[in-house]
Amino acid sequence: DGGITQSPKYLFRKEGQNVTLSCEQNLNHDAMYWYRQDPGQGLRLIYYSQIVNDFQKGDIAEGYSVSREKKESFPLTVTSAQKNPTAFYLCASSPRTGSAATNEKLFFGSGTQLSVL
Amino acid sequence: AQKVTQAQTEISVVEKEDVTLDCVYETRDTTYYLFWYKQPPSGELVFLIRRNSFDEQNEISGRYSWNFQKSTSSFNFTITASQVVDSAVYFCALSEARGSAGNNRKLIWGLGTSLAVNP
Repeated sequence: DGGITQSPKYLFRKEGQNVTLSCEQNLNHDAMYWYRQDPGQGLRLIYYSQIVNDFQKGDIAEGYSVSREKKESFPLTVTSAQKNPTAFYLCASSPRTGSAATNEKLFFGSGTQLSVL
Repeated sequence: AQKVTQAQTEISVVEKEDVTLDCVYETRDTTYYLFWYKQPPSGELVFLIRRNSFDEQNEISGRYSWNFQKSTSSFNFTITASQVVDSAVYFCALSEARGSAGNNRKLIWGLGTSLAVNP
């Protein structure tokens, strides 16, 4: 089955620790996105990538980093600089890039709940 | 500024009732897209519909229907004869289809409406 796989489903971070959330897609989509979801705040864009080896900051990139070394993979690292990391993180993809990307429907993974110990 | 407002934070209905989820948007563009997504308790958002600004026809898909009215900048979603499986958070989103290149466009999301359908 084609889709987006996020792992782990639950993740705990200790003070000062960096943690990495995995996102893999087998849809052959060019564009990939990371969103953060907090209760009552909807979805906020962290980073997005439209092509391998290229990515752009979203609205709340501070304290996060990403890489796009392969088309199918877009891992997100929550660094120790992110002081309030507890949230639900969603990875998404869309088939097209550039100006058309945001007009396409998004395919989402099942999310990772990150909590601080 | 672009904005999407879902004024209903939570709605609770009894199974088989009809329910309408409101979505009001603000945009300066004449060309744009509107979306609805469903987020069930499992967490994964599921695409429901996309509508472009030039197509004001209402759409029906089974028990789901959407009413797009540019005059009131609204794109409301109605579930007819609701079922327990409809319990989820529903998000409305706006995308502007500007012709200029540039990567700073993004989806504008509403805060979501949590729908509980009780047996």
